[in-house]
Amino acid sequence: GAGVSQSPRYKVAKRGQDVALRCDPISGHVSLFWYQQALGQGPEFLTYFQNEAQLDKSGLPSDRFFAERPEGSVSTLKIQRTQQEDSAVYLCASSPSQSGYTEAFFGQGTRLTVV
Amino acid sequence: SQQGEEDPQALSIQEGENATMNCSYKTSINNLQWYRQNSGRGLVHLILIRSNEREKHSGRLRVTLDTSKKSSSLLITASRAADTASYFCATVLNSGNTPLVFGKGTRLSVIA
Repeated sequence: GAGVSQSPRYKVAKRGQDVALRCDPISGHVSLFWYQQALGQGPEFLTYFQNEAQLDKSGLPSDRFFAERPEGSVSTLKIQRTQQEDSAVYLCASSPSQSGYTEAFFGQGTRLTVV
Repeated sequence: SQQGEEDPQALSIQEGENATMNCSYKTSINNLQWYRQNSGRGLVHLILIRSNEREKHSGRLRVTLDTSKKSSSLLITASRAADTASYFCATVLNSGNTPLVFGKGTRLSVIA
């Protein structure tokens, strides 16, 4: 595909359930970012990959959050034992350069609702 | 944590007027970027300005950067109803391998 693809677009999880959110970046993009966006707020940084290396995970809110990008392409954000405060839109972005030195391309996001 | 702070939080103008949004940040940057987000959609990149640049233009957009004041402004000229969206500034720090860090955004409403 031409852009960043995220799946699923919408996810409803019962409190305590584990969820996995997928991001397919633009082919060949080196950097991949995950953000969490609450309603009416700006995207909050979660974690950043350069190829398969997770260079920064300082934004992950707790040890229930885990992200991986094992082959330097597709990435998965996993949330264990979901809580209501995890309800948000999760955005993935990729960039052809390392870090944020050039523009980032965003997917449409996954809206997670924990009930 | 968020590095950039946009001002105002919300702005409502008539079609045809100019809209100005400001962004202030705290630490030395490599570049600053502006993004637009329509309701329920992903973010779209508008413009990138590097720390050694003072002004950039793209169509009806004009961005300025004042590194001494640690601030940037986004001007949209001759606004249209389709410009209604949230606008975010994002900064990249000078200390390598750092991600884009976003502000809280300005919600712009352009009334036809």
